[in-house]
Amino acid sequence: GIQVEQSPPDLILQEGANSTLRCNFSDSVNNLQWFHQNPWGQLINLFYIPSGTKQNGRLSATTVATERYSLLYISSSQTTDSGVYFCAVERGNNRLAFGKGNQVVVIP
Amino acid sequence: DGGITQSPKYLFRKEGQNVTLSCEQNLNHDAMYWYRQDPGQGLRLIYYSQIVNDFQKGDIAEGYSVSREKKESFPLTVTSAQKNPTAFYLCASRLGAKNIQYFGAGTRLSVL
Repeated sequence: GIQVEQSPPDLILQEGANSTLRCNFSDSVNNLQWFHQNPWGQLINLFYIPSGTKQNGRLSATTVATERYSLLYISSSQTTDSGVYFCAVERGNNRLAFGKGNQVVVIP
Repeated sequence: DGGITQSPKYLFRKEGQNVTLSCEQNLNHDAMYWYRQDPGQGLRLIYYSQIVNDFQKGDIAEGYSVSREKKESFPLTVTSAQKNPTAFYLCASRLGAKNIQYFGAGTRLSVL
């Protein structure tokens, strides 16, 4: 099945810093999503981005489908950005395959 | 408020006991999903249902059972056959053909 790899697995940021999270996937996809899981476990969908670039406030995402990767940018990080960021791709029959996540800690 | 409600937040299971996790949605979504999350791991699919009265096994269905008698409800039973049930369980529902999934707040299951 399709493989999803995320890097780096862990990241510690000073508040105000910028960062880039990466998601590589092993096969062509027509659906890629980024999620944020807060420290209490709630997952929120950040972006639906099978290709191209989108921005939402301090977050933006870019997917280069032909090269099988996606990037999530966090600018001017805040402590509320802490948590785990998951990349997920469609793997047929309306199922998603999730990566293991990027654990982000933002310190004040 | 529209959303997905999971209950209880915390659940403890005794040896040999079956327990049921509740998932209810009022988003009018057709498809619903159950995932298991272990520390440091991604989400693994247990069962999913794309329509009422129909469901399919996911990647780790052994030791679990589900039902889908109503569009709004997709309960998950963790049976005594599941020997390592301690995990965080997440329920999701899907909006439309883009397969954008929306998640409940989760249930943490532990073994006594």
